[in-house]
Amino acid sequence: DIVMTQSPLSLPVTPGEPASISCRSSQSLLYSNGHTYLHWYLQKPGQSPQLLIYWASTRASGVPDRFSGSGSATDFTLKISRVEAEDVGIYYCMQGLQTPYIFGQGTKLEIK
Amino acid sequence: QVHLVQSGAEVKRPGASVKVSCKASGYNFAVSWMHWLRQAPGQGLEWMGWIHPDSGATEYAQKFQGRVTLTRDMSSSTVDMELSRLRSDDTAVYYCTRDFESRAFDPWGQGTLVSVSS
Repeated sequence: DIVMTQSPLSLPVTPGEPASISCRSSQSLLYSNGHTYLHWYLQKPGQSPQLLIYWASTRASGVPDRFSGSGSATDFTLKISRVEAEDVGIYYCMQGLQTPYIFGQGTKLEIK
Repeated sequence: QVHLVQSGAEVKRPGASVKVSCKASGYNFAVSWMHWLRQAPGQGLEWMGWIHPDSGATEYAQKFQGRVTLTRDMSSSTVDMELSRLRSDDTAVYYCTRDFESRAFDPWGQGTLVSVSS
C-alpha cells in the first residue's frame, strides 16, 4: 500500500498569515495519462469532508483562490495565502492512484 | 446541483449487519463511480470500496473483503452499503461520495453514524 505522510499534524495560524501543509507519498503518484493523483480535502468541524484541490494543483469549483496546491511525484504542498477564520478544520491529502486509496493522518489547522 | 443524501443513524449489536443507503441526484448517476469511506470517532478517513452504477462492478478494500457489499438501484439512483458481522470497532461515521475525477471525491454525503454496542 502507498503510505501518505503529512506534516505538521497541528498548525496554529494567526488570521491573515499564510499557512503551508506538506504531504509525502511512498511512491510516485504520477499516472501515465500525465495527471498526478494527489488530492486535498478539508473537513470542517462537524461536517463531511470537502474537495479542495485535485490533480495536485487544480482548485475544485467554488474553492477560494487563496488555496493553492503544488508538487509532483512524491512531494506535495497545500498553501493558504492568507488564513481566514472559516479555514479551521482538518486538512487531508489522499492518493487516488491505486487501491486502497489512502489518506494522510490529517493536519489540524486552528486559529491563534 | 449534485446531492448525496444518506439514511439515518443506526445502532446495532455485535455480530449483526447494517445497511446504509445513499441517494444521488443532480447528475447522471450511471456514469460516476460511488465510493464508501468511514471515519471512526476522532480518527482519520478510511476507504472501504467502490461501485460503478452502470455495470454494477465493485472493488473492496482487502480489510473489508467478505464483510462489505455495495449494491445499486438504478431506478432510484441509490447505492447501498451493507456491512456484516459488526464489531465494536466498526463504530464510525460512514460516508458515500461520488468519484468526480480520478478519485477526487465530490460531493460527500452527510454521513451516517453506525454505533455497535452490546
